[in-house]
Amino acid sequence: GENVEQHPSTLSVQEGDSAVIKCTYSDSASNYFPWYKQELGKGPQLIIDIRSNVGEKKDQRIAVTLNKTAKHFSLHITETQPEDSAVYFCAASTWEGYSTLTFGKGTMLLVSP
Amino acid sequence: KAGVTQTPRYLIKTRGQQVTLSCSPISGHRSVSWYQQTPGQGLQFLFEYFSETQRNKGNFPGRFSGRQFSNSRSEMNVSTLELGDSALYLCASSFGGTSDTQYFGPGTRLTVL
Repeated sequence: GENVEQHPSTLSVQEGDSAVIKCTYSDSASNYFPWYKQELGKGPQLIIDIRSNVGEKKDQRIAVTLNKTAKHFSLHITETQPEDSAVYFCAASTWEGYSTLTFGKGTMLLVSP
Repeated sequence: KAGVTQTPRYLIKTRGQQVTLSCSPISGHRSVSWYQQTPGQGLQFLFEYFSETQRNKGNFPGRFSGRQFSNSRSEMNVSTLELGDSALYLCASSFGGTSDTQYFGPGTRLTVL
């Protein structure tokens, strides 16, 4: 089955800095890669996703890049703000008549004012 | 548009008891997936239902079961509770097609004493 590795497990940055979280996946058939943000006491919230026919996608301060050859994808957050502090999860899925997300272990991002 | 709702939000049970959790998907979504989230194992897939049929099942014992109703609402049941079942149980809904975004509810926090 699919295996997703996520690094780093914790990341501390100063407000205004950039943050990068990296994930690798094992199943070359995976074709959908979402990123979720989870705040304390809440469920994961989708912040951006990318499909296998696209190499990069950007939404304001957030961008995701995908390298299918190397089987890795990354989340980039620019101009970080204290409200970006949360746990971020990457995931990968493959369509087999159904689509099941396999998640990385998560990255706790702390943005200090 | 209302989001995914889960009830109850918190539950305390004792070992050996059983529990039923409920999930109401976003209107129009026909797929409901369930995940268990623990600090040690992260987010793990339990099962997915689409149009009242289980399409996929994760690697959990038979004590974990679920069902989906004709209005797409879903329930999951855990019988003979063990201490290790203490976790946040999350459900996510989607249209159920390839690469469709899964939207998560706030979760049910289950504590087994």
